[in-house]
Amino acid sequence: AQSVTQLDSQVPVFEEAPVELRCNYSSSVSVYLFWYVQYPNQGLQLLLKYLSGSTLVKGINGFEAEFNKSQTSFHLRKPSVHISDTAEYFCAVIRGGSARQLTFGSGTQLTVLP
Amino acid sequence: DAGITQSPRYKITETGRQVTLMCHQTWSHSYMFWYRQDLGHGLRLIYYSAAADITDKGEVPDGYVVSRSKTENFPLTLESATRSQTSVYFCASSESNPSQQYFGPGTRLTVT
Repeated sequence: AQSVTQLDSQVPVFEEAPVELRCNYSSSVSVYLFWYVQYPNQGLQLLLKYLSGSTLVKGINGFEAEFNKSQTSFHLRKPSVHISDTAEYFCAVIRGGSARQLTFGSGTQLTVLP
Repeated sequence: DAGITQSPRYKITETGRQVTLMCHQTWSHSYMFWYRQDLGHGLRLIYYSAAADITDKGEVPDGYVVSRSKTENFPLTLESATRSQTSVYFCASSESNPSQQYFGPGTRLTVT
């Protein structure tokens, strides 16, 4: 079975500081990787995805993530955060093969402080 | 462009009652999904559908029933609601799999 681990449940950071949200997955087969963001009382919105190709993926709102196969990680980064980035962030994985179900991590609450 | 909608947005029901949550998408996406979101668990897949009349179980299917007679609709029924089914339910759709999933706004269900 595959699992997704988001190492930090809460990350407070000051405005304009850099941030990294960590995500590790367990899978012995090929994977497809996603980061979603959820603002309060809303559904999830895709930030970025890795399906194949370049391991450095750029998404919306200045976020990027790097797929590291050897470390089975897909950490999300932003060089300078804004108050409006305050939200919950979910890492998710689809394992290659017939099942292809999306498995989510438990989420990281990012709080940007003024 | 309505996208993907869910109804109702909020629902309070009693233990043992049947409840149906509706999901409708306007993109003609092949795949549709139902998730529940609980604190500390992220989102967990309940059921999914690859096309009309094709459904399959996800991680937590017990106590739920789905159907998909039309591509655009994917209702989720709790046949006899229990308190453990109090949660926020999200519907999603995607054009293919694996691909980006588009999420609805969610239904907050409380079972008393």
